[in-house]
Amino acid sequence: GDSVTQMEGPVTLSEEAFLTINCTYTATGYPSLFWYVQYPGEGLQLLLKATKADDKGSNKGFEATYRKETTSFHLEKGSVQVSDSAVYFCALSPTSGSRLTFGEGTQLTVNP
Amino acid sequence: NAGVTQTPKFQVLKTGQSMTLQCAQDMNHEYMSWYRQDPGMGLRLIHYSVGAGITDQGEVPNGYNVSRSTTEDFPLRLLSAAPSQTSVYFCASSYLHFTGELFFGEGSRLTVL
Repeated sequence: GDSVTQMEGPVTLSEEAFLTINCTYTATGYPSLFWYVQYPGEGLQLLLKATKADDKGSNKGFEATYRKETTSFHLEKGSVQVSDSAVYFCALSPTSGSRLTFGEGTQLTVNP
Repeated sequence: NAGVTQTPKFQVLKTGQSMTLQCAQDMNHEYMSWYRQDPGMGLRLIHYSVGAGITDQGEVPNGYNVSRSTTEDFPLRLLSAAPSQTSVYFCASSYLHFTGELFFGEGSRLTVL
């Protein structure tokens, strides 16, 4: 079945540091890929998405590129802020699916 | 904008008790779903619905019932709670043409003793 694997956390960075959170997936066909973010005490919200190979999703300074050859969708940000502290989830939706499969989540803490 | 509203936010049950987690959305979304969130396991789909009168099982449906009598509401029922159902539960909705963008409620934290 479909699965998503994220890098082990938690991740702690200083403000203005470069962020990478790794995500790899297993799926048949051509799934759509997503990053969701969960701020403390809130539900998840969509951060960015990519629907086909080589697409780059971007939002709020975050970026991720859909790499079919390496089955990856790593999340990056050039300069993190304290307000980026949250849990980040990678997810996929199959080509003809009506569900999301989530990774285990990565806790990011950014210190001033 | 209410969005997706879940009640209650916190609940403590004893083993064997029953309860219903309520979920309502005011965005006229056809698709609604329930997930549970457990440490180190991400979110797992329990049940989902693509419209009133239509429900289907997700990845971990055992021990949970759902129904969809209206577009707005999608309650999740625990008939006989077990400690393994201690978790944070999220309701999420979307347009029928599922694009992967789910709108989540704030969650309901359930503890079963």
